[in-house]
Amino acid sequence: KQEVTQIPAALSVPEGENLVLNCSFTDSAIYNLQWFRQDPGKGLTSLLLIQSSQREQTSGRLNASLDKSSGRSTLYIAASQPGDSATYLCAVRLYSSASKIIFGSGTRLSIRP
Amino acid sequence: GAVVSQHPSWVICKSGTSVKIECRSLDFQATTMFWYRQFPKQSLMLMATSNEGSKATYEQGVEKDKFLINHASLTLSTLTVTSAHPEDSSFYICSADVGGGRDYGYTFGSGTRLTVV
Repeated sequence: KQEVTQIPAALSVPEGENLVLNCSFTDSAIYNLQWFRQDPGKGLTSLLLIQSSQREQTSGRLNASLDKSSGRSTLYIAASQPGDSATYLCAVRLYSSASKIIFGSGTRLSIRP
Repeated sequence: GAVVSQHPSWVICKSGTSVKIECRSLDFQATTMFWYRQFPKQSLMLMATSNEGSKATYEQGVEKDKFLINHASLTLSTLTVTSAHPEDSSFYICSADVGGGRDYGYTFGSGTRLTVV
């Protein structure tokens, strides 16, 4: 059974710092991995999608990497801003099921001005 | 592009009543939509997979008679919480497959906060 874990569960850093969020999964047979952002009481916003054949994706100050063999992905946020405060979720799409994706438990990020 | 609209954004209902939540794909056709439930400070748990024109597939432990899902068209899926109880209070989110395949990921609705009193 695929399990997705995110560490740390919560993180608070001062504005301007670079930071890394971690996501690990137990079964490397994934089709892709997606990073989402969720603001309190809101839906999910897709940040980056990495296919299983890719190693990384970049969008602005965000960079996501994928090491499928070790079951790990990282989301790197450069020059953090208070507006980056949110919960970040990673999710893996399984090969074993046509459409299911499994979510991690999320990292609650707080950027202090 | 690839917008999913979910309504209502919040609803309060009395115990024993039913509540319907709508999920619409605005600029694409969604053969498959998904319904999730999220408790405070927890992650999303998949409730069911909704397929256009056929019965929904429910995850283990989800009562299909309580959470009725209808996917009557390629742009609309509905979740009806029947005979609601306070323990059904939660955040419900729908999502849809973009691009009809695995290559494009998911897009999510803005969620519905259900409070049963």
